[in-house]
Amino acid sequence: EVHLVQSGPEVKKPGESLNISCQGSGYEFNKYWIGWVRQMPGRGLEWMGIIYPGDSDNRYRPSFQGRVTMSVDKSSSTAYLQWSSLQASDTAIYYCAKHALVGSIGTWFDSWGQGTPVTVSS
Amino acid sequence: DIVMTQSPDSLTVSLGERATINCKSSQSVLYSSNNKNYLSWYQQKAGQPPKVLISWASTRISGVPDRFSGSGSGTDFTLTINNVQAEDVAVYYCQQHETPPYAFGPGTRLEIK
Repeated sequence: EVHLVQSGPEVKKPGESLNISCQGSGYEFNKYWIGWVRQMPGRGLEWMGIIYPGDSDNRYRPSFQGRVTMSVDKSSSTAYLQWSSLQASDTAIYYCAKHALVGSIGTWFDSWGQGTPVTVSS
Repeated sequence: DIVMTQSPDSLTVSLGERATINCKSSQSVLYSSNNKNYLSWYQQKAGQPPKVLISWASTRISGVPDRFSGSGSGTDFTLTINNVQAEDVAVYYCQQHETPPYAFGPGTRLEIK
């Protein structure tokens, strides 16, 4: 059974850095694109970007490019989303999710992590 | 970028009735080389991550009740929920995955009368 387990809730101050994680199990981690989705309080889903663990190929939504960095550690089947300088507007739940079809960039998300709540407040 | 819109923003139906949610993309998500529409539907219940219901615009995901169905092609799509049940209360999103960034629609909230 596929599982995506995300790191726990975070409370940070503006300007601080942050790294959240998403560990996959039950499937060949290296062969499926994995993505990140933001959900701000009371709002809809925003596609942030995707990364292919096999070679770290990636695609970012332009509005997130330069604001966040996606990375993977193949040895631990873990994907990461990191910020170098948080802003209050980064307060949201962040979900990781796995693409449905092996090696295919253009598919839906078939498995989701439980979400990591991030609160940024002074 | 492809922009996704949905209508209505919210709808309220009685138990056992039909709910219809519309989704429109700013450009076609039909990939000509395989004749597939790169459009999916998700359900998000309160406090939970989303769950995929429909892929390729009209293919029901395994385990999803057959009262959920998807239709449409090109730029206009519909999610239909027949015989609405209490457990269908959720926000429903469409998503295009033809051209990155793979935008979601703004969501449609379904409530029971």
